[in-house]
Amino acid sequence: GAGVSQSPSNKVTEKGKDVELRCDPISGHTALYWYRQSLGQGLEFLIYFQGNSAPDKSGLPSDRFSAERTGGSVSTLTIQRTQQEDSAVYLCASSSGGAGPYNEQFFGPGTRLTVL
Amino acid sequence: AQKITQTQPGMFVQEKEAVTLDCTYDTSDPSYGLFWYKQPSSGEMIFLIYQGSYDQQNATEGRYSLNFQKARKSANLVISASQLGDSAMYFCAMRELAGNMLTFGGGTRLMVKP
Repeated sequence: GAGVSQSPSNKVTEKGKDVELRCDPISGHTALYWYRQSLGQGLEFLIYFQGNSAPDKSGLPSDRFSAERTGGSVSTLTIQRTQQEDSAVYLCASSSGGAGPYNEQFFGPGTRLTVL
Repeated sequence: AQKITQTQPGMFVQEKEAVTLDCTYDTSDPSYGLFWYKQPSSGEMIFLIYQGSYDQQNATEGRYSLNFQKARKSANLVISASQLGDSAMYFCAMRELAGNMLTFGGGTRLMVKP
């Protein structure tokens, strides 16, 4: 079946503009994650959605970042008033959300965000 | 404090030889999982292998095996018979039962020489 898809694949924006990044998880996966991969910072967790539960937002770096997941499927990560340090690859992952530490996360191809 | 440490930023290996990529971790959660992912230059994250904290045997998946030493908190990835296509970034990650996310190490860039 189809894997995790993300759009756009590349986004160039000007400092101060808002951007929206989209993630379409694997069908039937209840858990969805956003990560950010930037030079010098490695991969860092941003936010986690599980079913209808309140999201775990503990990784969001500032209040300029927000995310929502509509209907338990597609998710949108929004960055307001973008800054140059927001430049990174934003990766989305989904999993079946089962109990236990084994919960393989399937990653999308990422969105490369460049803030000029 | 770093939860996942990969001390080798870059490594070379000769084609057809074996290579070990190091990973140490830190957790007080008795139940956790350790993952290795491969990230080629194309950018996608490819799951390679998983080891659970209660697993008695080291995990193996084809040419990949995990040298799990629980007391030392290490989970090294061993790639046997390296191929040119193995050239990529490799990330070690951990998921604690008490947490939701994967915590990643800084990665190791592996370069396979013909």
